[in-house]
Amino acid sequence: GENVEQHPSTLSVQEGDSAVIKCTYSDSASNYFPWYKQELGKGPQLIIDIRSNVGEKKDQRIAVTLNKTAKHFSLHITETQPEDSAVYFCAASISRGNQFYFGTGTSLTVIP
Amino acid sequence: GAVVSQHPSWVICKSGTSVKIECRSLDFQATTMFWYRQFPKQSLMLMATSNEGSKATYEQGVEKDKFLINHASLTLSTLTVTSAHPEDSSFYICSARAFNTGELFFGEGSRLTVL
Repeated sequence: GENVEQHPSTLSVQEGDSAVIKCTYSDSASNYFPWYKQELGKGPQLIIDIRSNVGEKKDQRIAVTLNKTAKHFSLHITETQPEDSAVYFCAASISRGNQFYFGTGTSLTVIP
Repeated sequence: GAVVSQHPSWVICKSGTSVKIECRSLDFQATTMFWYRQFPKQSLMLMATSNEGSKATYEQGVEKDKFLINHASLTLSTLTVTSAHPEDSSFYICSARAFNTGELFFGEGSRLTVL
């Protein structure tokens, strides 16, 4: 089955700096890669996703890149703000499949 | 984005009682819903996959008689923790996969405390 690895497990950045979180996957059939932000005591919230037919997607300060050959994808947050502090999870799935495979999460702290 | 409503957000119960948690997709149809358990500072642990109109598929080590899952419609799945014990205290989260786009949306989670 699919195996998703996520790094780093913790990340601290100064406000205004960029943060990058990386994930790798093992199953070349995976073609849908969402990212979730989970704040303390809440459920994960979908913040951005990318499908295998594109290499990069951007939404304001958040961007995701995908390298299908190397089987890795990354989340980039620019101009970080304290409210970006949360746990971020990556996931991999097959669009019409039934399972999502999650990374172990990255706890991001943005220092004011 | 699409909304998944999970209720209750928190519940406290006595040991031996049963607790039901509801998960509703409010503005989309979800043929598949998932239930997770999350321990503090840990990732999501998949408990079961629920398909509308059929029996749930449980992950290894999850007791199906203890965690009853029902997915009676395209917008509603329920998790019932039967004969709850203190070790069942946890954060339970549901998610729903949108039928048309394949996107996965999560509920807000339910904090269960068993006394």
